[in-house]
Amino acid sequence: EIVLTQSPATLSLSPGERATLSCRASQSVSSYLAWYQQKPGQAPRLLIFDASNRATGIPARFSGSGSGTDFTLTISSLEPEDFAVYYCQQRSDWPLTFGQGTKVEIK
Amino acid sequence: EVQLVESGGGLVQPGGSLRLSCAASGFTFSNYWMHWVRQVPGKGLVWVSHINSDGSTTNYADSVKGRFTISRDNAKNTLYLQMNSLTAEDTAVYYCARDRMVTNWFDPWGQGTLVTVSS
Repeated sequence: EIVLTQSPATLSLSPGERATLSCRASQSVSSYLAWYQQKPGQAPRLLIFDASNRATGIPARFSGSGSGTDFTLTISSLEPEDFAVYYCQQRSDWPLTFGQGTKVEIK
Repeated sequence: EVQLVESGGGLVQPGGSLRLSCAASGFTFSNYWMHWVRQVPGKGLVWVSHINSDGSTTNYADSVKGRFTISRDNAKNTLYLQMNSLTAEDTAVYYCARDRMVTNWFDPWGQGTLVTVSS
């Protein structure tokens, strides 16, 4: 099973600041990595797929990068609605797996 | 508008069974792979199962293999998850999710249904 490790567990930032979230895979997943956002009481929402492609309707302030084992989700300037938990997910191999999540909280 | 609405969750005793449903609308259900993902409240996401568009291929997490069965009725636009031999470790919110064009990305997700396994 491919293990995804996200860091940090919690990121405390202010609106307007840049957020940088990391996801590291236990083995190469090529570019087969996605990022999801989950707000309290809501279902997750797909943000980024194939490492760097924004899903439909996702603002340009969200960007993804990386390949192989190291990936980054960047939020260029945090909006109030961006404070949430973010998960990475790989589709390189079964079983499909998620990281444990990074919570972006208001400082 | 694409909609996925789960139902069938509730309280069940250990060893019991439950069948979850996911009613799909707003898209051609028979064209899409589908998935179940679960989340223990306050914890992370765990993929549970996948089914291809015609139901001929399925995949399961090891933790549910042999106990859970995913299926679909394309005439009814409905996805199912039959859960047997339930344990406390199966307690979670269960989400159905549409696959993003045969990619194993989940987009969109339903609102989830809570399954509680307890005596």
